[in-house]
Amino acid sequence: GAGVSQSPSNKVTEKGKDVELRCDPISGHTALYWYRQSLGQGLEFLIYFQGNSAPDKSGLPSDRFSAERTGGSVSTLTIQRTQQEDSAVYLCASSLSQGAYGYTFGSGTRLTVV
Amino acid sequence: KNEVEQSPQNLTAQEGEFITINCSYSVGISALHWLQQHPGGGIVSLFMLSSGKKKHGRLIATINIQEKHSSLHITASHPRDSAVYICAVRTSSNYKLTFGKGTLLTVNP
Repeated sequence: GAGVSQSPSNKVTEKGKDVELRCDPISGHTALYWYRQSLGQGLEFLIYFQGNSAPDKSGLPSDRFSAERTGGSVSTLTIQRTQQEDSAVYLCASSLSQGAYGYTFGSGTRLTVV
Repeated sequence: KNEVEQSPQNLTAQEGEFITINCSYSVGISALHWLQQHPGGGIVSLFMLSSGKKKHGRLIATINIQEKHSSLHITASHPRDSAVYICAVRTSSNYKLTFGKGTLLTVNP
């Protein structure tokens, strides 16, 4: 596609429910990143994919968070048993060659856990 | 101490003013990025710098590798420039970005 597409753009969920956030990167971008932006905080790294594998999951805050990427393209970030502290904007970015030529960001998914 | 520090945190200007946002970092980098985020919107990449200076329209970005410092300048600011401006670095041995906390710019008409 022309840009990085994320869906849904907004998600309100009840505490304890599972949510899935989707990222569709730019076609041909082998690297994909998930970041989180909490209210009043800077962006923090969650996970990095190269192709379908995730060599760096170091930013995932707990085992309730998982992500996968299929076909070297679409990625899904899953949060199980959501908590109020999970409320944030979740941003996806993709790049060629680990970012040497820059990154393209999606518009984000605003997650609100009530 | 954060690896990437931005100043100021908040900046209010009148339309037409010259604006400078600063970024200092403490690690070795392969590139520095300036990003723009409008309220409720996604992030747009403005510049990627590894040395020197780049210009795009009314925006100018400079970097001093020796001093580990970068500046983003906006000339003839306009209310549509109101946004959060974020500095981010890609370290020499890494692929991910480390972000500053952002500068909220408000340009009043």
